[in-house]
Amino acid sequence: EPEVTQTPSHQVTQMGQEVILRCVPISNHLYFYWYRQILGQKVEFLVSFYNNEISEKSEIFDDQFSVERPDGSNFTLKIRSTKLEDSAMYFCASTRDPASGTDTQYFGPGTRLTVL
Amino acid sequence: AQSVAQPEDQVNVAEGNPLTVKCTYSVSGNPYLFWYVQYPNRGLQFLLKYITGDNLVKGSYGFEAEFNKSQTSFHLKKPSALVSDSALYFCAVRDFYSGNTPLVFGKGTRLSVIA
Repeated sequence: EPEVTQTPSHQVTQMGQEVILRCVPISNHLYFYWYRQILGQKVEFLVSFYNNEISEKSEIFDDQFSVERPDGSNFTLKIRSTKLEDSAMYFCASTRDPASGTDTQYFGPGTRLTVL
Repeated sequence: AQSVAQPEDQVNVAEGNPLTVKCTYSVSGNPYLFWYVQYPNRGLQFLLKYITGDNLVKGSYGFEAEFNKSQTSFHLKKPSALVSDSALYFCAVRDFYSGNTPLVFGKGTRLSVIA
């Protein structure tokens, strides 16, 4: 069964450093998302991406964040200058049909980001 | 605005007993409702969803959920719990009129099945 994959599984970085989190969505999916989950809290939406541009973003997704689909398979989340409060589990998700609200979002295993 | 409430942080159940994990929602239109499960050090795995039709939805691993429009609830159930069902369960909602918008998640309920 196809899966969303994410690398690395755990990233430790110093405050102020740039990090790039990588995701490979399911191959025939067209709509991609990043969510995050701060320890002990709910899963929160960051950004959605379709047709090589941001479709929607939350207030969390400020100028320090960016997303890119650099090739036909990868989908990346970049944090330019990490803060302590960016420490969280970051989940990538994808869905096949961009027009349908009924479509299931499939999630990757997550990248645990620890900012020291 | 859409929202989801999972009123219980923790649910404990004995193996073999039925389990229920509660979820209530709030949307402006008709809801699309989802349950996901998160095992330790794993991502969110899709369990089941309600879109339309039968109020009782069956999903993976013997789980089912019942959509109740009047009570705005979508409780997750299983007739006989297994120790391996112990995990974190998330309810999520999307508004019917919102298209392919992000899911809004509840805070999660930790299910512990005791042998």
